[in-house]
Amino acid sequence: EAGVAQSPRYKIIEKRQSVAFWCNPISGHATLYWYQQILGQGPKLLIQFQNNGVVDDSQLPKDRFSAERLKGVDSTLKIQPAKLEDSAVYLCASSLVSNEQFFGPGTRLTVL
Amino acid sequence: QKEVEQNSGPLSVPEGAIASLNCTYSDRVSQSFFWYRQYSGKSPELIMSIYSNGDKEDGRFTAQLNKASQYVSLLIRDSQPSDSATYLCALDGGYGGSQGNLIFGKGTKLSVKP
Repeated sequence: EAGVAQSPRYKIIEKRQSVAFWCNPISGHATLYWYQQILGQGPKLLIQFQNNGVVDDSQLPKDRFSAERLKGVDSTLKIQPAKLEDSAVYLCASSLVSNEQFFGPGTRLTVL
Repeated sequence: QKEVEQNSGPLSVPEGAIASLNCTYSDRVSQSFFWYRQYSGKSPELIMSIYSNGDKEDGRFTAQLNKASQYVSLLIRDSQPSDSATYLCALDGGYGGSQGNLIFGKGTKLSVKP
């Protein structure tokens, strides 16, 4: 069974630029999550989708972050404009049963 | 504000010893708890979940949950150098339809010395 796929794996941008990350969950997993992991900390949930509907986006900085999951499969997370403090690893996870989440390899973002 | 507290370590144990990792949490209502392992530069990998008070064993790993004391632990028996990683404790901070909002601690770095 293929795992969660993410791209790109690394991205370096200047502050105020925009960036987008892509995630393809494990086949059949209805729930998809985006987490932000800053160095030395645990992951923090940004947004949770159930199929193509948003379940929880309470910690998503909506003035600069957006996410969508069209057709209930792939998802994209966008940051526009990026700030220095957005430097982190962005992790996508998916689950069949909401309690057991499987993470993709992550995208390491560096904002200069 | 739900919080999960872990000692950041590093915790150093000799090969073959038992490693004991501990975690406390603030929300008395939490029902589901998880341990993830994260190697340096890699993503978290689920190794144990526990939902009821008591012990749950899986191979060399034992998770222990005490809801009255709001305490979760992970024991790793016969520790191997390959167990060297950061161990993240997490709880499900959501209720009803928003289950799945995992709240993570900062992790404990474990080093197993040959």
